[in-house]
Amino acid sequence: GEDVEQSLFLSVREGDSSVINCTYTDSSSTYLYWYKQEPGAGLQLLTYIFSNMDMKQDQRLTVLLNKKDKHLSLRIADTQTGDSAIYFCAESTGGFKTIFGAGTRLFVKA
Amino acid sequence: NAGVTQTPKFQVLKTGQSMTLQCAQDMNHEYMSWYRQDPGMGLRLIHYSVGAGITDQGEVPNGYNVSRSTTEDFPLRLLSAAPSQTSVYFCASGDSRGLAGGNTQYFGPGTRLTVL
Repeated sequence: GEDVEQSLFLSVREGDSSVINCTYTDSSSTYLYWYKQEPGAGLQLLTYIFSNMDMKQDQRLTVLLNKKDKHLSLRIADTQTGDSAIYFCAESTGGFKTIFGAGTRLFVKA
Repeated sequence: NAGVTQTPKFQVLKTGQSMTLQCAQDMNHEYMSWYRQDPGMGLRLIHYSVGAGITDQGEVPNGYNVSRSTTEDFPLRLLSAAPSQTSVYFCASGDSRGLAGGNTQYFGPGTRLTVL
């Protein structure tokens, strides 16, 4: 079945770049997402990319998609303590069904 | 807009008790869903609805019931609570007019449930 995998933890120093990686198994995935969850809150859409794109940049965020390897990454430039959260990778083939990864907890050290 | 609201925020139940988790959205979204979040397991889909009067099972539906009598509300019922249902429950909504072809979901703040 479909699966989305991510590493569970990442620790970076404030000001450095963070790179969160994700792999997925469904080759027919059409939409790939990054959601952010802050403590005690629900998930919020951070950014998304269509499967026919290789890269998307949005201010400090860069999403890279390697469709051949089914690999998605999220780069956060100049990471700040406010970026500390859990980041979820998710994929969808269309319709409303979305498969989420287990989430990567980002720790930012001052 | 309030977005997606959930009540209660916290709940403690004894094994065998029943309760309803409430979810409401004011964005006129056609799609609503319930997820549970457990450590190291991400979000797992319990039930979903693609419109009023239409519901379907997700990945982990056992022990839960839902109904969708209106577009706005999508309550989740635990019929006989078990310790395995201790989790954080999230309600989400979305529609085909949203970002990324409508697959973007908007999440509520969650309900933290403990079953003793």
